[in-house]
Amino acid sequence: EAQVTQNPRYLITVTGKKLTVTCSQNMNHEYMSWYRQDPGLGLRQIYYSMNVEVTDKGDVPEGYKVSRKEKRNFPLILESPSPNQTSLYFCASSRQGPFYGYTFGSGTRLTVV
Amino acid sequence: QKEVEQNSGPLSVPEGAIASLNCTYSDRGSQSFFWYRQYSGKSPELIMSIYSNGDKEDGRFTAQLNKASQYVSLLIRDSQPSDSATYLCAVTQYNNNDMRFGAGTRLTVKP
Repeated sequence: EAQVTQNPRYLITVTGKKLTVTCSQNMNHEYMSWYRQDPGLGLRQIYYSMNVEVTDKGDVPEGYKVSRKEKRNFPLILESPSPNQTSLYFCASSRQGPFYGYTFGSGTRLTVV
Repeated sequence: QKEVEQNSGPLSVPEGAIASLNCTYSDRGSQSFFWYRQYSGKSPELIMSIYSNGDKEDGRFTAQLNKASQYVSLLIRDSQPSDSATYLCAVTQYNNNDMRFGAGTRLTVKP
């Protein structure tokens, strides 16, 4: 089954404790992206990757890191999480870019206390 | 001005009625337009994409695009309680690296 797999689904952590949210797709998509979703603000792009070893910032990259060492994986790293990063996070992938639409992962609800 | 605007709702319609969801966008260069359905606590699911002016129908769903008015809409015919969800409008351009989303319209279909 074609899918984007995110883990974990839920995460509660404390301020400053480094964490990684994993994202993996099995569709051989070149493009992958991370979004956060907050009430009233919609989905906002954090980082994206056009291909292996090619990543760039989106609209809200502060406090986040990413890497793309393999085509299928695109982890999101919060090196020192803060309460304002409490949000619902989605990984998305697409064959070549957003133009043809995204397949989203199941989401990660992160709470930073 | 937000780049993609939607009425947040909630929009309530009776079962069997037509639900009409609207979206306006500010970037005249936008070339592809999407409607995603998102159930509470779940991920967005692509239900319609449209690239040229006019109507596009898929089952009970019809997307309508008017680039001159910078307006895209989604009609849901014979609405069912299972259609109750938040509907996200999104736009992008070819060779863009991002898709711009509206904040979503919450639809409730009452039995």
